[in-house]
Amino acid sequence: NAGVTQTPKFQVLKTGQSMTLQCAQDMNHNSMYWYRQDPGMGLRLIYYSASEGTTDKGEVPNGYNVSRLNKREFSLRLESAAPSQTSVYFCASNPSGTVSEQFFGPGTRLTVL
Amino acid sequence: AQSVSQHNHHVILSEAASLELGCNYSYGGTVNLFWYVQYPGQHLQLLLKYFSGDPLVKGIKGFEAEFIKSKFSFNLRKPSVQWSDTAEYFCAVNARGNTGKLIFGQGTTLQVKP
Repeated sequence: NAGVTQTPKFQVLKTGQSMTLQCAQDMNHNSMYWYRQDPGMGLRLIYYSASEGTTDKGEVPNGYNVSRLNKREFSLRLESAAPSQTSVYFCASNPSGTVSEQFFGPGTRLTVL
Repeated sequence: AQSVSQHNHHVILSEAASLELGCNYSYGGTVNLFWYVQYPGQHLQLLLKYFSGDPLVKGIKGFEAEFIKSKFSFNLRKPSVQWSDTAEYFCAVNARGNTGKLIFGQGTTLQVKP
């Protein structure tokens, strides 16, 4: 099993450009999450999907949209990138929400110029 | 709102020294507690977790943590650190019934000198 995979690993954007970060898991997990990691701030939840067909905002959703394409895939879209969105983005999944740990992907390092 | 606080932002130790990293959370209800580790250039990995039962939990690589409910704390310990423990450590809390959302602390960077 590959676990949680993310593409791309690195990306540089110019202000105003758009892009989609892809995440997939092969563990048949119900719940998936997107976090951003910034120095000194830990990880902050952007959006999550408790189950296929549902999505909800997390702590820092502004400037982002998500799509739970199917049970395996959960994408994060930046419609108009801003320098404040320079960060490392992590996708995670867990089997059922409240009774298990989350499993993390390798991350996407995004720089917005 | 829930929050998690890690008191030590940067810790430098020599090999064989003992480690204790503090973690406190603010939430009045039942919680699940986690410590994750991020080695340089890698993704987050679970060190240990507490859901219920014995408040002293043991994780991988000789780490342990103690849940003290009255102090809202979940401190991480290791009796003797190794150079390979150099990493960033994150405490995280999930409120029961909260769809698995994790609230993370700010992280503690541990540097172990050989």
